[in-house]
Amino acid sequence: AQTVTQSQPEMSVQEAETVTLSCTYDTSESDYYLFWYKQPPSRQMILVIRQEAYKQQNATENRFSVNFQKAAKSFSLKISDSQLGDAAMYFCAYRSAAGGTSYGKLTFGQGTILTVHP
Amino acid sequence: EAGVAQSPRYKIIEKRQSVAFWCNPISGHATLYWYQQILGQGPKLLIQFQNNGVVDDSQLPKDRFSAERLKGVDSTLKIQPAKLEDSAVYLCASSSQTLHAYEQYFGPGTRLTVT
Repeated sequence: AQTVTQSQPEMSVQEAETVTLSCTYDTSESDYYLFWYKQPPSRQMILVIRQEAYKQQNATENRFSVNFQKAAKSFSLKISDSQLGDAAMYFCAYRSAAGGTSYGKLTFGQGTILTVHP
Repeated sequence: EAGVAQSPRYKIIEKRQSVAFWCNPISGHATLYWYQQILGQGPKLLIQFQNNGVVDDSQLPKDRFSAERLKGVDSTLKIQPAKLEDSAVYLCASSSQTLHAYEQYFGPGTRLTVT
């Protein structure tokens, strides 16, 4: 079974600064997807960024980028120019690319609470 | 495009009572998921539907939890009888039926408190 670990329960950053959230995962599969989700206090889970395991290039979405290290099974999220609206719980998640009963299922990490200071 | 709808948003019940949650996925989305999110933890999949069939319910406590998806659209999740440890947020998500359907769209969740 796949597992996802986020070792930073809480992180903080000053507005306009850069912060990196860590995530490691364990899997025996070679093809999969990795995601970072944001969950503000309102609880609506929102997709921030996704990475396909077969792609070597790191994904970027505006101020958000990832550092995907497949061999090390590491998937960190970098938030540049942090804004007050970035404050939320961030979850790293894994999804198998294989078919069968595991298809579509997301396995989440424990989450990291990000605080942004003005 | 309307998002995933869930109701109620909040529910407080006593242990041993029963409760039901409702989810309406995004129109046309064939796959529907129910996750349980205990405070301070990441969501955990309870059950996954493909149209009106169950794909994965391996982590559903079947002695007390049940779920159905009538006509492949709306879904209900029921707990009977509830225990204190069932206190959590129950999230519903949906996704379209394509091979590279990356994104699951989540509803706002139902916060259940069992006293």
